[in-house]
Amino acid sequence: QVQLVQSGAEVKKSGASVKVSCKASGYTFTGDYMHWVRQAPGQGLEWMGWMNPNNGGTNYAQKFQGRVTMTRDTSISTAYMELTRLRSDDTAVYYCTRGGREDPFDPWGQGTLVIVSS
Amino acid sequence: SYVLTQPPSVSVAPGQTARITCGGNNIGRKSVHWYQQKPGQAPVLVVYDDSDRPAGIPERFSGSNSGNTATLTISRIEAGDEADYYCQVWDGNSDHYVFGTGTKVTVL
Repeated sequence: QVQLVQSGAEVKKSGASVKVSCKASGYTFTGDYMHWVRQAPGQGLEWMGWMNPNNGGTNYAQKFQGRVTMTRDTSISTAYMELTRLRSDDTAVYYCTRGGREDPFDPWGQGTLVIVSS
Repeated sequence: SYVLTQPPSVSVAPGQTARITCGGNNIGRKSVHWYQQKPGQAPVLVVYDDSDRPAGIPERFSGSNSGNTATLTISRIEAGDEADYYCQVWDGNSDHYVFGTGTKVTVL
């Protein structure tokens, strides 16, 4: 079955960077976009951007431009999301999820908690 | 940027019908997807393309979309349906994706 498995929780200091991984299985990794969505404690879902695993193309939400980089390693069907210059309000659960242009997001990874402390 | 507005909460008695709205400018022209999220869990797709259900989602979940409002309807609601629900669309003008503000459904 289609599955996305993310890396474990991270605790970072303000100003540091974090890189979260998302390993895909059960489908052709290069066939669909990979999106990243985050959720701050007690808050709603926030779309961060997408990466096209076929050619590495990306499209980031304006809020994260300049701080986020989405990459992939097709040899191991793994997508990555790196967020730099972390702030306390970056504390959130980060999800990867598969989706096409107008297609829904399905499935979702289990989420990776990133805690940013000062 | 495109904005989707949902009521913060909806409460309904067991066995009754819950209706969750998602308001957006001409949302009827877009494909709307709905996600269910239970505490501590990742979101799960429950309705896509306005009114289709993924495999394994009960027929009690249905959707509609017209004008400026999309609606997720949960019929014969059960305690296990208690969760947060989010609508989502693709904004073709920006090639960005937007989530609604989320609705907490409580089964009384």
